[in-house]
Amino acid sequence: GAGVSQTPSNKVTEKGKYVELRCDPISGHTALYWYRQSLGQGPEFLIYFQGTGAADDSGLPNDRFFAVRPEGSVSTLKIQRTERGDSAVYLCASSREAHNEQFFGPGTRLTVL
Amino acid sequence: SQKIEQNSEALNIQEGKTATLTCNYTNYSPAYLQWYRQDPGRGPVFLLLIRENEKEKRKERLKVTFDTTLKQSLFHITASQPADSATYLCALDRGSTLGRLYFGRGTQLTVWP
Repeated sequence: GAGVSQTPSNKVTEKGKYVELRCDPISGHTALYWYRQSLGQGPEFLIYFQGTGAADDSGLPNDRFFAVRPEGSVSTLKIQRTERGDSAVYLCASSREAHNEQFFGPGTRLTVL
Repeated sequence: SQKIEQNSEALNIQEGKTATLTCNYTNYSPAYLQWYRQDPGRGPVFLLLIRENEKEKRKERLKVTFDTTLKQSLFHITASQPADSATYLCALDRGSTLGRLYFGRGTQLTVWP
């Protein structure tokens, strides 16, 4: 079956703009995670959804970052007033349930000019 | 906060040899420890998961050990091949934190013919 997909694959924006990143998890996976990865670093946790609700958003760096998963499948990560420091690869992962292996998408490379 | 160290940023070995990668952690003890492989421009791919009450796990040419006293996991690839060249990430799941993973920076493995 299809894996986790993310769109767009690349996003270039200007400082101060708003961006939305989309994640389509594997069908039937209730757990969905967002991570951010900078060059030479491991993925850094942002937020975890169990179903439609954000069960853990403690990794979101500030209130410019927000994510939703309204129907318990597709998720959107929203970043307001982007800053150059937001430039990174944003990874989405899903799993059948918590504490299982996570299936990652290819990521969205965000560049803020 | 959780700190995870992977032994080196880069490891170069000859084809056919065994590659051994190290993951050390401090502070909290994980309930689960996972290893992922990441190729350039791609998302991480799950390899193995080991639980805190397990000492060793094997899958084909891969072996993971978990020593909760030393706070260390070792990841072995036997009979290494050039196709094994990639970055390998260690990730901790504390069990109490709903499945979020704490990643190390990764070790870049190069297997030369």
